[in-house]
Amino acid sequence: QQQVKQSPQSLIVQKGGISIINCAYENTAFDYFPWYQQFPGKGPALLIAIRPDVSEKKEGRFTISFNKSAKQFSLHIMDSQPGDSATYFCAASSTSGSRLTFGEGTQLTVNP
Amino acid sequence: GAGVSQSPRYKVAKRGQDVALRCDPISGHVSLFWYQQALGQGPEFLTYFQNEAQLDKSGLPSDRFFAERPEGSVSTLKIQRTQQEDSAVYLCASSWTEETQYFGPGTRLLVL
Repeated sequence: QQQVKQSPQSLIVQKGGISIINCAYENTAFDYFPWYQQFPGKGPALLIAIRPDVSEKKEGRFTISFNKSAKQFSLHIMDSQPGDSATYFCAASSTSGSRLTFGEGTQLTVNP
Repeated sequence: GAGVSQSPRYKVAKRGQDVALRCDPISGHVSLFWYQQALGQGPEFLTYFQNEAQLDKSGLPSDRFFAERPEGSVSTLKIQRTQQEDSAVYLCASSWTEETQYFGPGTRLLVL
């Protein structure tokens, strides 16, 4: 039962470009939406997170855009760098401290 | 400070063997989660502890999977009579603020 759908599955961007990853959810009870970055052989690490009371959150080069009515949210990576090459997962949970439901992941490659 | 640690990092088991995977959460973190990550997929929730209480075990795939956290800190995930479909990375995460989940590096289990 896939409650969070993520696209694209893979993404190739040139250095300096903008990387955009999209997610859609079904469960309207979800109220916390984090993005995780995972490098090979490592555990996921939190990048940025948003709650539905705001439509956008920016931290450095990373921005989450949130559309509550469409039940969609996206991650934008500005000025993408080769060091950003990793797998990115969106996730959602219904209450604080609760289980995370992850998307399928996007493998990002940033070419020098 | 020290992050979430997991041991062993790699485990090879013969089909039918029992395995035990250990998670040391960040000191003082009340919540502890176990996730299973199949190759090329997002993590999937297995079970959740708050202190020593197992509040949600709905993600455990079968009664061969058992988790405990007897003193509210270290947790062990045990898999009895391992099957090939159990091959995956098992991730542990802990949290204090009930928002950010900090993940360990995972244990990669291969069942032959």
